[in-house]
Amino acid sequence: QLQLQESGPGLVRPSETLSLTCTVSGDSISGGNHYWGWIRQSPGKGLEWIGSIFYSGSTYYNPSLKSRVTISVDTSKNQFSLKLNSVTAADTAVYYCARQVIYYWYFDLWGRGTLVTVSS
Amino acid sequence: DIQMTQSPSSVSASVGDRVTITCRASLGISNWLAWFQQKPGKAPKLLIFSASSLQSGVPSRFSGSGSGTEFTLTISSLQPEDFATYFCQQANTFPLTFGGGTKVEIK
Repeated sequence: QLQLQESGPGLVRPSETLSLTCTVSGDSISGGNHYWGWIRQSPGKGLEWIGSIFYSGSTYYNPSLKSRVTISVDTSKNQFSLKLNSVTAADTAVYYCARQVIYYWYFDLWGRGTLVTVSS
Repeated sequence: DIQMTQSPSSVSASVGDRVTITCRASLGISNWLAWFQQKPGKAPKLLIFSASSLQSGVPSRFSGSGSGTEFTLTISSLQPEDFATYFCQQANTFPLTFGGGTKVEIK
């Protein structure tokens, strides 16, 4: 069954680095037909696209977060990951990973999301 | 960034009602628009892409229309499983942006 699953700490201290991994099952990240993206949802800002990656490592980032974000891919594990550094309370959100249709750029399959709280 | 404005932010409706949700883009995006359904604790689900194309497996009571800056999602006859939040996404220009969401509630 095709699905995406986010994993990682639910609590991160301010100024530290948020790290999440998305495990893809039922599809190959290396298939070449999709990008793989991260989106977050917070009460204050709604849904915000963070960035996306192709299996080759090519990335697109939201300029508003680009200075703090790194998205990477591990094709051997069929996973991709998000690192967001220097976090503050404003980074508290539900983080989703999603599959993105290449050239069309909409997200056709999403994970259920994971809540990350930034607090000391 | 292209701003996506949805209206209304919430709507109360009964089973069998026709519901229409609007999404407006701050700049023209041709037909590069998708609609999603979100239920609490569940993964968002793609309903419509390219403004009017129905995603495989989505009931035909869902339809999308529009081009340029104004788009609509219509549920022709609301079913109990349709009570959820709906949001739009523009796919014309990076950074990709989303509407604020419309909650469809039981009247």
